[in-house]
Amino acid sequence: GAVVSQHPSRVICKSGTSVKIECRSLDFQATTMFWYRQFPKQSLMLMATSNEGSKATYEQGVEKDKFLINHASLTLSTLTVTSAHPEDSSFYICSARRDNSYEQYFGPGTRLTVT
Amino acid sequence: RKEVEQDPGPFNVPEGATVAFNCTYSNSASQSFFWYRQDCRKEPKLLMSVYSSGNEDGRFTAQLNRASQYISLLIRDSKLSDSATYLCVVNTAGNTGKLIFGQGTTLQVKP
Repeated sequence: GAVVSQHPSRVICKSGTSVKIECRSLDFQATTMFWYRQFPKQSLMLMATSNEGSKATYEQGVEKDKFLINHASLTLSTLTVTSAHPEDSSFYICSARRDNSYEQYFGPGTRLTVT
Repeated sequence: RKEVEQDPGPFNVPEGATVAFNCTYSNSASQSFFWYRQDCRKEPKLLMSVYSSGNEDGRFTAQLNRASQYISLLIRDSKLSDSATYLCVVNTAGNTGKLIFGQGTTLQVKP
């Protein structure tokens, strides 16, 4: 199978602090990973495409200085939410694309609550 | 107009029923098509890829009509465990693998 892990699964932080979320592909290499955000009763919205060894590509309206992405290896991408605010509270999900395939496999998600 | 459109439902059906979901996409350059399933407060899980020739996996059948830019998912003999949100997903951006998600169709199978 294709397993993607995400850590932490849940985090509560105070406004103004930063939170790092890790996404790992456990049994396959993923040159490309994706970060999504999902608000209640809405569909997944792509935030950025993370490419191993190069800068991430951000979707329109997503602040790259606020959502820092690092993809330092073929199995790990991290998303750091800097200076978090209550409106950043959401379900953050990563996915990894198996090399030479269009199929994406999702991590279990991180539920972020900013108080 | 949304890039991928689905009827959000909910579809409430009895166990054993056959139910069909439809999806339309706006970009004729779209290349790959998928159905994902998402349970409440969980991540999406790939249900099946959709090919032009149509494909079947057990009780699930997916069809693609490129001319009409239309994708369908048919579930036969519905089980209680099929209750979930079904996401129609399209890949348009070539090798970047970027996926566009529909808002999902909610299915509730009742005993």
